[in-house]
Amino acid sequence: TQLLEQSPQFLSIQEGENLTVYCNSSSVFSSLQWYRQEPGEGPVLLVTVVTGGEVKKLKRLTFQFGDARKDSSLHITAAQPGDTGLYLCAGNNAGNMLTFGGGTRLMVKP
Amino acid sequence: EAEVAQSPRYKITEKSQAVAFWCDPISGHATLYWYRQILGQGPELLVQFQDESVVDDSQLPKDRFSAERLKGVDSTLKIQPAELGDSAMYLCASSRHSGREYEQYFGPGTRLTVT
Repeated sequence: TQLLEQSPQFLSIQEGENLTVYCNSSSVFSSLQWYRQEPGEGPVLLVTVVTGGEVKKLKRLTFQFGDARKDSSLHITAAQPGDTGLYLCAGNNAGNMLTFGGGTRLMVKP
Repeated sequence: EAEVAQSPRYKITEKSQAVAFWCDPISGHATLYWYRQILGQGPELLVQFQDESVVDDSQLPKDRFSAERLKGVDSTLKIQPAELGDSAMYLCASSRHSGREYEQYFGPGTRLTVT
C-alpha cells in the first residue's frame, strides 16, 4: 500500500506569514497533485507536478516535486485569510489511482 | 467551465435504510471515481470505472455497497442497509482516460449522516 504523509496536520498563522506544507512517501509516483478543499465542498485541483525536481508557481503558492518523485512541498508566501482550507496532496501511480495524504488544515487569521 | 455534478448535496437517513447518490461526470471523461471522506481525513477510493466497466472496487464493502455506470456516463452509488459508520462525505471525481491527462476533478460531494 502506498502511503502519503502530510505535515503538519494543523497550522494556524497570522495573515502575512509564510508557510510550508510537506507531503512525503517511501513510494515513487508518476505524478502528484495538490488540492484545496473548503468545508462542505469537494477538493479543487491546484496543480499537477510530473517531473522530478519540478517547481510550479500559482500566484503566491509554490509547489515542488522531489527529485526522486517521492515527496512534494507547498509553500505559501504572505498568507491571506482566503487561503484557509484543507490542503491535500495525492500521488498518482501508473494505474491512474490516486492515493491521498491525510491533509493539512490551514487557518489564516486576519 | 464544465463541472462534476452530484446529488443530493446532503442526506440524512436512519440506519438500516437504503440510500443512493448520483454523479454526472464532466462530458468526455471516460473514468469515474467514487471516494469516501471521513471528517478530518483524506478521501479514500471506493470504486473506479472506465466507461461502464469496473476497474477497481477492492475497497468497496460489497456486502452493503453497490455502484453502477450502466451507459458509461452518469453513475449511482447505493448503500443498503446504511450503518452509523457510513456517515461521511461521498465524493465523485472524473478524469480523461488517455496520456498524462489523469488529473481528477471532483464534484461538491454528498454529505451523508446516518442516525
